[in-house]
Amino acid sequence: EDQVTQSPEALRLQEGESSSLNCSYTVSGLRGLFWYRQDPGKGPEFLFTLYSAGEEKEKERLKATLTKKESFLHITAPKPEDSATYLCAVRGEGFQKLVFGTGTRLLVSP
Amino acid sequence: NAGVTQTPKFRVLKTGQSMTLLCAQDMNHEYMYWYRQDPGMGLRLIHYSVGEGTTAKGEVPDGYNVSRLKKQNFLLGLESAAPSQTSVYFCASSSRTSGGSYEQYFGPGTRLTVT
Repeated sequence: EDQVTQSPEALRLQEGESSSLNCSYTVSGLRGLFWYRQDPGKGPEFLFTLYSAGEEKEKERLKATLTKKESFLHITAPKPEDSATYLCAVRGEGFQKLVFGTGTRLLVSP
Repeated sequence: NAGVTQTPKFRVLKTGQSMTLLCAQDMNHEYMYWYRQDPGMGLRLIHYSVGEGTTAKGEVPDGYNVSRLKKQNFLLGLESAAPSQTSVYFCASSSRTSGGSYEQYFGPGTRLTVT
């Protein structure tokens, strides 16, 4: 059974303090690992898709990386507007169903 | 281009009442999904559709029914609401890209409370 575990559950950073969020996964035949951002009271917003170990993608202060067992979302010099819950999901073989982790709540203080 | 929209945004039901949640997308996506999100449990797939006129069960389908009569709309029905169905419901849609990915795009959600 496909499974996703995210850590930590919550993370508090000072503005400018870089850190990383972890997404560990087990999946039968990875067809994509997805990162989403979710603001309170809103739907998840798509950030990145990664397909194979060694792949990296960047968007502003965010960089996502992928190994065979986990993905990291690196946040460089975060700003308060980066505060949100970050969700990780995987798609395995077969239909394009996503299995989501429970997310990491990030709070960036000025 | 509105993306994925959901109505209503909020709803309170009494146990045993029925209701329908509407999802609409204007991106011409083939695939549509209904999820529920509960604290500490992440997003769980209720039902999905791979095209107009087709539906299939997801991870937690009991107590829900769906219909996809038009490509752009996906309806989620609760036949007899129960307190356990108190949740936030999200609709999503996706299409195959040239790279073969199926990233899903989500609506703003419907917050449902069953008393």
